[in-house]
Amino acid sequence: GENVEQHPSTLSVQEGDSAVIKCTYSDSASNYFPWYKQELGKRPQLIIDIRSNVGEKKDQRIAVTLNKTAKHFSLHITETQPEDSAVYFCAANGWGKFQFGAGTQVVVTP
Amino acid sequence: NAGVTQTPKFQVLKTGQSMTLQCAQDMNHEYMSWYRQDPGMGLRLIHYSVGAGITDQGEVPNGYNVSRSTTEDFPLRLLSAAPSQTSVYFCASSSSGTDNTEAFFGQGTRLTVV
Repeated sequence: GENVEQHPSTLSVQEGDSAVIKCTYSDSASNYFPWYKQELGKRPQLIIDIRSNVGEKKDQRIAVTLNKTAKHFSLHITETQPEDSAVYFCAANGWGKFQFGAGTQVVVTP
Repeated sequence: NAGVTQTPKFQVLKTGQSMTLQCAQDMNHEYMSWYRQDPGMGLRLIHYSVGAGITDQGEVPNGYNVSRSTTEDFPLRLLSAAPSQTSVYFCASSSSGTDNTEAFFGQGTRLTVV
């Protein structure tokens, strides 16, 4: 079955710096890769996603890259702000079944 | 369009009690799933369903039952609650097949078993 590994587990950055979170997956059939942000006590919310026929996608300060050959995908947050502090999850999906990474606790210090 | 509705929001059970967590979606999604979230453990898949009448086990199914009699509803039953089942539970739904979409999550149920 699918296995998604996510690194790092915690990430502390200064406000204005960039944050990068990396994930790897094992199932070659995976074709959809969403990223979720979860604030304390809230449900996970989608922030960006990428499909297997695309190598990179950007939405304002957030970007995601996908390397299908290496089975790697990454989340990049530029110009971090205190409100970016949260837990971020990557996921891989093939034919409906999601497998989530273990999550990255991001702390942005002013 | 309410999305995914999950009830209750909080629940305290005594060891050995049973209960059902309710989940309903109004987006006509084929795929529904239940996750538990423990500190530092991420989201672990309990059971999932790819359509009405079809369910399958996830990563941590022991102690839980599910059924899918309609497209909209996917209840999770705890048969005999144990302290190890203290966790936050999320229901999620998504479309499936070749045109995958994001998973939409319910608000979560914080369950404490004493």
